[in-house]
Amino acid sequence: ILNVEQSPQSLHVQEGDSTNFTCSFPSSNFYALHWYRWETAKSPEALFVMTLNGDEKKKGRISATLNTKEGYSYLYIKGSQPEDSATYLCAYLGGSQGNLIFGKGTKLSVKP
Amino acid sequence: GAGVSQSPSNKVTEKGKDVELRCDPISGHTALYWYRQSLGQGLEFLIYFQGNSAPDKSGLPSDRFSAERTGGSVSTLTIQRTQQEDSAVYLCASSLTSPGAEQYFGPGTRLTVT
Repeated sequence: ILNVEQSPQSLHVQEGDSTNFTCSFPSSNFYALHWYRWETAKSPEALFVMTLNGDEKKKGRISATLNTKEGYSYLYIKGSQPEDSATYLCAYLGGSQGNLIFGKGTKLSVKP
Repeated sequence: GAGVSQSPSNKVTEKGKDVELRCDPISGHTALYWYRQSLGQGLEFLIYFQGNSAPDKSGLPSDRFSAERTGGSVSTLTIQRTQQEDSAVYLCASSLTSPGAEQYFGPGTRLTVT
C-alpha cells in the first residue's frame, strides 16, 4: 500500500509568521507531486505540480521544494496571513497513468 | 470560464436507498475523477475516466458503487443500497489530460446516510 504522509496534522500561527510543512511519499516510480489548498466551504485549488528532483516552485508568498530521491516535499509560506488559513494537501502520482494518492493534509490556522 | 460543477450540493438519504451524484467537468477536459472524503480521512480516489479508454475503477470500495461518463463529458456516480459508512463528501475533478496535469475540483456533494 502506497502511503503519503503529511506533517504536522495542524498548525496554528500568528499573522506574519513564516511556516512550513512536509509531505513524504514513496521514492520509487515517482511521476509527479501535487500541492492543493482547500479552504473551508470551497473546492481544493491547485498550487503546484512538481515533476523534477530539485524542483522549486513559487506563487506569491508560497513556495515548494521537491526531493524525489528521498521522497519528500516542503511547502513554505512566508509572512502568513489570515487568508492563508486552509488545509494544504499533497498528492503523489506514481507512473504517468496512475491515480493521485492524497495525504490527509495539514490544517493551517493563521490568527490576526 | 465555468468550473467543475456538481449536484446536488447536499443529499440526505435513508439507509438502503440508491443515490446518484452528478459532475459536469470543465469543457475540453478529457480526464475526470471521483474522490470522497470521509470524516477524519484524506481524499480517497474512487474512479478515473480518460477520454474513450476504459475507466480505472480500482478505487471503488464495493460493487454498490458505479460510475459512468456519457459523451466524454457529464459523469454520474451511483451508490446502490446506501450504508451509513457511505456518508462523506464526494468530490469530482477534471484535468486537461492525464493525472499528471493539475486537477480542477468541483464544490463537492455532501452525502449523509441516516
